[in-house]
Amino acid sequence: DTGVSQNPRHKITKRGQNVTFRCDPISEHNRLYWYRQTLGQGPEFLTYFQNEAQLEKSRLLSDRFSAERPKGSFSTLEIQRTEQGDSAMYLCASSLVWRGRGTSTDTQYFGPGTRLTVL
Amino acid sequence: SQQGEEDPQALSIQEGENATMNCSYKTSINNLQWYRQNSGRGLVHLILIRSNEREKHSGRLRVTLDTSKKSSSLLITASRAADTASYFCATVPSSNFGNEKLTFGTGTRLTIIP
Repeated sequence: DTGVSQNPRHKITKRGQNVTFRCDPISEHNRLYWYRQTLGQGPEFLTYFQNEAQLEKSRLLSDRFSAERPKGSFSTLEIQRTEQGDSAMYLCASSLVWRGRGTSTDTQYFGPGTRLTVL
Repeated sequence: SQQGEEDPQALSIQEGENATMNCSYKTSINNLQWYRQNSGRGLVHLILIRSNEREKHSGRLRVTLDTSKKSSSLLITASRAADTASYFCATVPSSNFGNEKLTFGTGTRLTIIP
């Protein structure tokens, strides 16, 4: 399977615990994005990486959230001291962005998501 | 915050009929994309239309874009039960060129009745 994979698919935790999610993008994709989706809403952007560099973080990403992409391949998203409001689906997407003649390809391919429930 | 809204929020049609969903957005865009999401699953990319395009087709899908009205429509022809899903439009604002982060609408829940 050469798609985007995410682990775990489901995570149930108690308030105050730390959790970590992993995303494996499509091989050789240089961009990796994290989104969060709450019930009945569209996904909202959290952060993105160009190779190993984290280039932007949303204001939604509080200090309790940290994301890494250490070797420009897989990425992890950690939430410290989880709160009930963190319950959501966390989605990862990857894309191959290049610029040739001033254009870029920007189709993002999404993983199946990690559903987090904080009790 | 959401960039725009899909209309209607929910749509139920008989199998074989055509389904039309609309999307409105707020700022100038580089491109607009449509995604499908089955219940509790990830998003599947359907089609991308750039700001200088007006219409695009892919199989049973037809997407139109009217940048003057800041709106797009997705038409699914000859609907099938497997088309039951939520459909989202997502935009890349012009100001974001270089960072193609997507700003999603609120989605349309489509139900195809066999």
